[in-house]
Amino acid sequence: EVQLLESGGDLVQPGGSLRLSCAVSGFTFSSYAMTWVRQAPGKGLEWVSTISDGGGTTFYADSVKGQFTISRDNSKNTLYLQVNSLRAEDTAVYYCAKLSGATIGYCTYWGQGTLVTVSS
Amino acid sequence: QFVLTQPPSASGTPGQRITISCSGGSPSIGAHPVNWYQKFPGKAPKLLIYSSHQRPSGVPDRFSGSKSGASASLAISGLQSEDEADYYCETWDTNSPWVFGGGTKLTVL
Repeated sequence: EVQLLESGGDLVQPGGSLRLSCAVSGFTFSSYAMTWVRQAPGKGLEWVSTISDGGGTTFYADSVKGQFTISRDNSKNTLYLQVNSLRAEDTAVYYCAKLSGATIGYCTYWGQGTLVTVSS
Repeated sequence: QFVLTQPPSASGTPGQRITISCSGGSPSIGAHPVNWYQKFPGKAPKLLIYSSHQRPSGVPDRFSGSKSGASASLAISGLQSEDEADYYCETWDTNSPWVFGGGTKLTVL
């Protein structure tokens, strides 16, 4: 059974940082691209970042470029998202998802999400 | 910036067939497959349709997808109360590799 479990979300002050994690099981992690998608309160889904199977290729939404860093540790079956210089508009539930391909594709499986709240 | 446009809301009665549209500037939708996700409040999104018209295993055949030109559609036939959810389309754009539509809230009356 494919499972994705996010963690690391928290209440953080503006300007703060967090590292979100997504631990996966049930599939060969190193063979698939992974992605982060967020949903702000009352808003729709917003793609954030994607990383290829080996980690050599990354993509970022313009809204987080230079602020967020995606990475993965294939030996630990874990995906990460380092989020820095947080702003109120970064408040959202952050979902990790497995893509259908090694670099691109659609989201086949999703985690339950981790909540990041940016507030003073 | 590329934008996928969905109607913010849709509604139908049990047993009815409804469609949700997703439109975007050509050639992006025309050049790339469109995927659809179902999302319930507080729950993870679920893949409903991929590659414009393919259904993952386990998705009822009441759900179907199509694409024509710069527009895609999700159809739900035999509408059921448990279909009440938010629906999102998604595709590619060269400037923004993954783009989601704004979402459509489906109400079953």
